Amino acid sequence: KAGVTQTPRYLIKTRGQQVTLSCSPISGHRSVSWYQQTPGQGLQFLFEYFSETQRNKGNFPGRFSGRQFSNSRSEMNVSTLELGDSALYLCASSFFRDETRWGELFFGEGSRLTVL
Amino acid sequence: AQTVTQSQPEMSVQEAETVTLSCTYDTSENNYYLFWYKQPPSRQMILVIRQEAYKQQNATENRFSVNFQKAAKSFSLKISDSQLGDTAMYFCAFILIIQGAQKLVFGQGTRLTINP
Repeated sequence: KAGVTQTPRYLIKTRGQQVTLSCSPISGHRSVSWYQQTPGQGLQFLFEYFSETQRNKGNFPGRFSGRQFSNSRSEMNVSTLELGDSALYLCASSFFRDETRWGELFFGEGSRLTVL
Repeated sequence: AQTVTQSQPEMSVQEAETVTLSCTYDTSENNYYLFWYKQPPSRQMILVIRQEAYKQQNATENRFSVNFQKAAKSFSLKISDSQLGDTAMYFCAFILIIQGAQKLVFGQGTRLTINP
């Protein structure tokens, strides 16, 4: 069974540009979450999607947005990039319907974004 | 506010020793789930162990076990017979279920090094 796939793995952008990151969840998983990981702030929740609907959003500015497609693949977009957006962006999928597996997230390897 | 605190930024032990990682959390919720996630140097995060807050029995998973003290809001991870492959960042987390959506709140992590 293929794991969570994130693309691109590495990218470099300049301030003011925008970026789109992609995440393909494990087959059958309909919940996709995004997290930002930085040395200073640790892991911070960005948002969660389930069946193409954003169900929960973290405390990030409106420059951070996302969407989920009918095949459960998800994208997140960051517009008007700032230096502080440099981070590892992690995507995680889960089989949310089963209560016994709540919180059991399967993570991708992440997309390392560097903003210059 | 929902917070998770890991007071040990770094730890180092010899192979085959037992090590305990500390975690405290704060939540006003009565029903929640607690987790330890492991992030090896390759960066892909994986679930180590899961504990339901309503269960008094501590969870175990092979060499990994937890000491869950609900009243004290403490959730430590014990690794027995540590192995070189246990070297990783370890994150304590709990899950909030908000209007059907799940959101994990992570601690800052403990970098564990197992020395040969």
